[in-house]
Amino acid sequence: GESVGLHLPTLSVQEGDNSIINCAYSNSASDYFIWYKQESGKGPQFIIDIRSNMDKRQGQRVTVLLNKTVKHLSLQIAATQPGDSAVYFCAEIPPAGASKIIFGSGTRLSIRP
Amino acid sequence: DTGVSQDPRHKITKRGQNVTFRCDPISEHNRLYWYRQTLGQGPEFLTYFQNEAQLEKSRLLSDRFSAERPKGSFSTLEIQRTEQGDSAMYLCASSPRNSDSNQPQHFGDGTRLSIL
Repeated sequence: GESVGLHLPTLSVQEGDNSIINCAYSNSASDYFIWYKQESGKGPQFIIDIRSNMDKRQGQRVTVLLNKTVKHLSLQIAATQPGDSAVYFCAEIPPAGASKIIFGSGTRLSIRP
Repeated sequence: DTGVSQDPRHKITKRGQNVTFRCDPISEHNRLYWYRQTLGQGPEFLTYFQNEAQLEKSRLLSDRFSAERPKGSFSTLEIQRTEQGDSAMYLCASSPRNSDSNQPQHFGDGTRLSIL
């Protein structure tokens, strides 16, 4: 079935370094992908999205890369800060409709001072 | 704050009781979604409304669950005869009017349900 998975459940990064969170997806027909950040006790917060006709998109301190050949998605966070500590989910919206988002199980990012 | 609002934030109840949660979407958003999230997992889709019409329901939504959006604005999610396995975070999200599939859903902070 459809699934969105993550390579690493936890990631520890030194403050100021760059973080890279990876994600694999299985539905090659998916055409829209989103990264969400979820802090403890809060709902998922939209970070950045990318359409399947793009391979890279940049935001403020964040970059999403999409490799459709190997069905791989990554989130890069530049100059990681303590406030970046959270669980990060990649998610896909299948092409069948505008309804459900399929989330992976998340990667917890922790920042070392 | 004009984000998605959910009430209550926490609900503790005994097994077998009924509970109802409310979601107020972002103003002018015509699409509203309910998700369930258990500890350490990503949110799982439950159901989706476009205006007042419930267009899709997950197989996760058993007959003990019912969701409504009577006026196309706020929505309620009711769970009848709660069970231990219903303990989870229930998240609501909304997305803009006239959006296609390539629009992000904006989430509320959820209602955490604990069944004793």
